[in-house]
Amino acid sequence: NAGVTQTPKFRILKIGQSMTLQCTQDMNHNYMYWYRQDPGMGLKLIYYSVGAGITDKGEVPNGYNVSRSTTEDFPLRLELAAPSQTSVYFCASSPSWDGAYEQYFGPGTRLTVT
Amino acid sequence: SQELEQSPQSLIVQEGKNLTINCTSSKTLYGLYWYKQKYGEGLIFLMMLQKGGEEKSHEKITAKLDEKKQQSSLHITASQPSHAGIYLCGADTGGGNKLTFGTGTQLKVEL
Repeated sequence: NAGVTQTPKFRILKIGQSMTLQCTQDMNHNYMYWYRQDPGMGLKLIYYSVGAGITDKGEVPNGYNVSRSTTEDFPLRLELAAPSQTSVYFCASSPSWDGAYEQYFGPGTRLTVT
Repeated sequence: SQELEQSPQSLIVQEGKNLTINCTSSKTLYGLYWYKQKYGEGLIFLMMLQKGGEEKSHEKITAKLDEKKQQSSLHITASQPSHAGIYLCGADTGGGNKLTFGTGTQLKVEL
């Protein structure tokens, strides 16, 4: 199993540009998550999904959109990039939620908006 | 204030020394997860604690959960350079389907 994969690893965007961060997992997990990590800060949840076709907002959803058309994929869309979105983005997945399963993380995407 | 506070924020220890990192929640803990992150990489799962008083160990790392204090501690015995990195705690505080993460503790181990 490849686990959770994310592309790209690095990206530089200009203000106002759009992009999609890709996330794929091959573990047949129902739950998937997007986090951002700013320097000196913990992870902040952006969006999450409990299964294909179902998504919900996390703590910091503004400026982002998600979709979940398949179990495997959970892309994160930035429509109008702003400098405040400069961050490291992590995708994670877990098999279910009964408090007994850890989340598996991808390697991250480092995004700079200038 | 943060829902999940970690202390210390950073730590420098000499190789061979013991150390403890704490994670305190302002809400009831239903589960506590410890992760390690190396710079530029993703998070690696270390341990999960679910019951008050639970203690788990893996190699030289021990984690405990004090349900009454809403706190968990991570203890490393005889630290090695391979222990260096950022340690993050994540908590299930009953919000359903998601974890809240602390701000992390950066550990450096000097030779």
